[in-house]
Amino acid sequence: TQLLEQSPQFLSIQEGENLTVYCNSSSVFSSLQWYRQEPGEGPVLLVTVVTGGEVKKLKRLTFQFGDARKDSSLHITAAQPGDTGLYLCAGSRVGGTSYGKLTFGQGTILTVHP
Amino acid sequence: EPEVTQTPSHQVTQMGQEVILRCVPISNHLYFYWYRQILGQKVEFLVSFYNNEISEKSEIFDDQFSVERPDGSNFTLKIRSTKLEDSAMYFCASKVPEQFFGPGTRLTVL
Repeated sequence: TQLLEQSPQFLSIQEGENLTVYCNSSSVFSSLQWYRQEPGEGPVLLVTVVTGGEVKKLKRLTFQFGDARKDSSLHITAAQPGDTGLYLCAGSRVGGTSYGKLTFGQGTILTVHP
Repeated sequence: EPEVTQTPSHQVTQMGQEVILRCVPISNHLYFYWYRQILGQKVEFLVSFYNNEISEKSEIFDDQFSVERPDGSNFTLKIRSTKLEDSAMYFCASKVPEQFFGPGTRLTVL
């Protein structure tokens, strides 16, 4: 059974602060996706990382995939109230009998106070 | 930009009734998935579908569940006899490796 442990579960910060969300597993993933989910809606893809050590930037968001492809992090610089939401990491394995099903972490609820 | 659509957005049913949840994946995508999310819990994989057959399913996806792609565009999830614990958000997704999700159907079983 593949598990993704996401931490912290809750994060409450002031506008302008930096933060990091972690996603860890004992399993190797072919790729890892980060999603953002609003209440009552489907997850919206932010980024996909596929190569060990890969770093991707999306404006103030920086995503990193661990060298061993077992962990990932999301770093937000100078957080804004508009960043408030649920952030999900999800790992995928492709090959063998796996057809890319996603294993999700528990999610991190981020609240950025003005 | 193409997107995954799902209908209905909310379905209320009585325990023991059959429900069909519908999805229209992004055209030209070949892999399709159903996930569910019970309120307050993580998103869970149910089933993947490729080349008109189930390619992988979870232990949640028992004999009460079925999927089909009846007309080459729609992708449906059927629950034959709903239980209270089937109440959840059900999401359809398509493509691999990155998956694009639909807005979900909220299923409420009374």
